[in-house]
Order: sequence, then structure tokens, then C-alpha cells
Amino acid sequence: DIVMTQSPDSLAVSLGERATINCKSSQSLLYNSDNKNYFAWYQQKPGQSPKLLIYWASTRESGVPDRFSGSGSGTDFTLTISSLQAEDVAVYYCQQYYSIPLTFGGGTKVEIK
Amino acid sequence: EVQLVESGGGLVQPGGSLRLSCAASGFIFSSHWMHWVRQAPGKGLVWVSRINTDGSSTTYADSVMGRFTISRDNAKNTLYLQMTGLRAEDTAVYYCARRGMTTVTPFPFDIWGQGTMVTVSS
Repeated sequence: DIVMTQSPDSLAVSLGERATINCKSSQSLLYNSDNKNYFAWYQQKPGQSPKLLIYWASTRESGVPDRFSGSGSGTDFTLTISSLQAEDVAVYYCQQYYSIPLTFGGGTKVEIK
Repeated sequence: EVQLVESGGGLVQPGGSLRLSCAASGFIFSSHWMHWVRQAPGKGLVWVSRINTDGSSTTYADSVMGRFTISRDNAKNTLYLQMTGLRAEDTAVYYCARRGMTTVTPFPFDIWGQGTMVTVSS
């Protein structure tokens, strides 16, 4: 199984400041035949179901604000919120869809400082 | 509106059974692979099972293999999860989720239901 390790477990950021979340996979998620990273980020707000934010490591889902960006390739990935807003308080999960079983990171809780 | 609505959760004793349903609307259900994902209270997301578009191929997490069965009825636009031999560690919110693309290319979950709570306790 591919193990997804997120860091930090939680972070507190001031409104308008940058938040950075990291995710490392135990094996490469780059599929050679199409040169795509089979990697996604989700946001789960309190009491809600998860919402897809980013796929192919860096493609924003329709409707997702451009303050959210994804980067990285292979085994190391980053989610950046460029200017944290109050509505961004949530737990963020990374996920690999390269192989079964699909696996998620443990989550990173983002709060307002 | 594209929507998934789960039902069927509840309190069940260890060793018991439960069938979850997920009603889909607003999209061509039969074109999408579907999945179940669960989340224990205060914990992270764990993938449970998936089914292909016509129901001929299913896959399970090791933790539920042999106890859970995923199925679908495309005529009713409904996904199911039959759970037997339930254990305390199966206690979780169960989400159904749609795989985003309709091609064979793997893709993450672009639509999630609101979840249904399953509690296994005596």
C-alpha cells in the first residue's frame, strides 16, 4: 500500500497570511505514460463532507478560489493557501489515486491565529 | 443539481448486518465508477470499496474484504454497501463518492454524499 504522510498535523495562520501543507508518498505517483501525478487535495470543513480542491497535483477543481495552489511531483507535494481567509478553516487531506487501495494522508487542521 | 444522498446507517450490535444506500441524481450515474469511503469519529478518511460502471468489477480494502459487498442498480441510480459481521472498528461515517472522470483513467472523487453514521456497539 502507498503510505501518505502529511505535515504538519495542524497549523495556525493569521488572516491574510500564507499556509503551507506538505504531503509525502511512500512511492512515486508520477505515471510515466502520461506524465501525470495521480495525486489530489481535499478540504473538509467542520461537519461537512470532503470537497475536491486539486487534482493531478496542481489542477484546481472548478470553482476553487485561486488562492489555493498545488505543486510537487513524484513523492513530494505541497498545498499552499496564499492568503488565508476565515472560510478556509478546515482539515485538508492529500490522496493518491495511483493504485488500489486508494489512500489518504492523516489530515492537516488549519486554524486562524 | 448533482447530488449523492446516503441512507441506511444506524446502531447495530457486533456481528450484525446493515445495508447502506446512496441515491444519485443530476448526472448519468451509469457512466461513473463509484466508491465508499469511511471516517471514524475524529479520524481521517479511509477508502473502503469501489465498483465499476456496470457492476462487473469490485474491489475492497483488506479490512472489509469478505464482510462487505458493494453493488449498484443503474436503473435506480443507486449504490449499495451490504455490511455483515460488523465490528466496533467499523463505526464511522460512511460516504459514497463519485469518481470524477468517465473514462478508464483513475481520477479522484469530485462529488461526495453527506454521509451516514454507522455505530457498532452492544
